[in-house]
Amino acid sequence: EPEVTQTPSHQVTQMGQEVILRCVPISNHLYFYWYRQILGQKVEFLVSFYNNEISEKSEIFDDQFSVERPDGSNFTLKIRSTKLEDSAMYFCASRWRGTGELFFGEGSRLTVL
Amino acid sequence: GNSVTQMEGPVTLSEEAFLTINCTYTATGYPSLFWYVQYPGEGLQLLLKATKADDKGSNKGFEATYRKETTSFHLEKGSVQVSDSAVYFCALSPTQGGSEKLVFGKGTKLTVNP
Repeated sequence: EPEVTQTPSHQVTQMGQEVILRCVPISNHLYFYWYRQILGQKVEFLVSFYNNEISEKSEIFDDQFSVERPDGSNFTLKIRSTKLEDSAMYFCASRWRGTGELFFGEGSRLTVL
Repeated sequence: GNSVTQMEGPVTLSEEAFLTINCTYTATGYPSLFWYVQYPGEGLQLLLKATKADDKGSNKGFEATYRKETTSFHLEKGSVQVSDSAVYFCALSPTQGGSEKLVFGKGTKLTVNP
């Protein structure tokens, strides 16, 4: 069964370092998303991406964050200069069409020290 | 604004017990409502959904009814199994029929003991 895959499963980094989280969405999907969950808190929407551009982003998604789909298969989330409060589980999701079911990856846990 | 509140966990039950996980929401308009489940080591999976008032979503023995009058979407199962142990998330989509920009609750961890 097709699935969304994310790497790494866990990354530990120092404050101020750049981090790239990678996602491989399901191959025929067109809409891509990042969500995050800070420990003990709600899963929060970060950004949606369609047709090679951001379609919507939340207040959390500031200039420190960026997304791209560099090669038609990977979908990446970059945090330029990590802060302690960026420590969270980051979920990638994709779907085929605008109102179809969202398929989520297993998540990438980011720990910023 | 849009928000989801679900019952705090963790919840621990014995096999074959009845399960209820409460979920209430605040939304403008007519949202769609969802329950997602995350089994250990896996991603979030859609468990069931309801797109309009009085709809009942069901899957794998789980049910939830969209109650507009009480703004609730409580998850129920008559007889839980050990394999149901997971974290359950209630969520809403502000757009009726769609799942753009989901708004999630905090999640409720369920442990079912044999």
